Amino acid sequence: KQEVTQIPAALSVPEGENLVLNCSFTDSAIYNLQWFRQDPGKGLTSLLLIQSSQREQTSGRLNASLDKSSGRSTLYIAASQPGDSATYLCAVSNQGGKLIFGQGTELSVKP
Amino acid sequence: NAGVTQTPKFQVLKTGQSMTLQCAQDMNHNSMYWYRQDPGMGLRLIYYSASEGTTDKGEVPNGYNVSRLNKREFSLRLESAAPSQTSVYFCASSEALGGFTDTQYFGPGTRLTVL
Repeated sequence: KQEVTQIPAALSVPEGENLVLNCSFTDSAIYNLQWFRQDPGKGLTSLLLIQSSQREQTSGRLNASLDKSSGRSTLYIAASQPGDSATYLCAVSNQGGKLIFGQGTELSVKP
Repeated sequence: NAGVTQTPKFQVLKTGQSMTLQCAQDMNHNSMYWYRQDPGMGLRLIYYSASEGTTDKGEVPNGYNVSRLNKREFSLRLESAAPSQTSVYFCASSEALGGFTDTQYFGPGTRLTVL
């Protein structure tokens, strides 16, 4: 059974710092991996989707990498801003399977 | 272009009452999903519809029913609400047939409390 883990559960950094969020999964036979952002009391917003054949995806200050063999993905946020404060969730989709979510990392960027 | 919309935003029910959560998308997506989000449990899939006219169970389907009314609308029904169904419910949609292979777009959620 696929399990997705995100560590740490919470992270607080000063504004301007570069940071990395981690996601690990137990079954490497994934179809894709997605990173989402969730603001308090709101729905999820898709940030990046990495297909299993890809190594990384970039969007603005965000870069997500995927290492299927080790069962890991990282989300790199450059030059963090207070507006980046939110919970970040990763989710993996197995071949023919469902989207399995991690519990999320709650990020706080202090001015 | 409103994306994915959900009604109601908030609801309080008594144990045993029934209700239907409504979801609609205006992106001409083929697949639609219902999730619940609980503290410490993360997001879990309740039901999904991989194409118009089909529905399938997810991880936690007990106590729920769904209807894919047309390509735009996917409703979730609680026939006899229980306190364990207190949660935040999210509807999502994605373009691809078959589900789970592409980006999912989420609605704002319905916050349900069952007393």
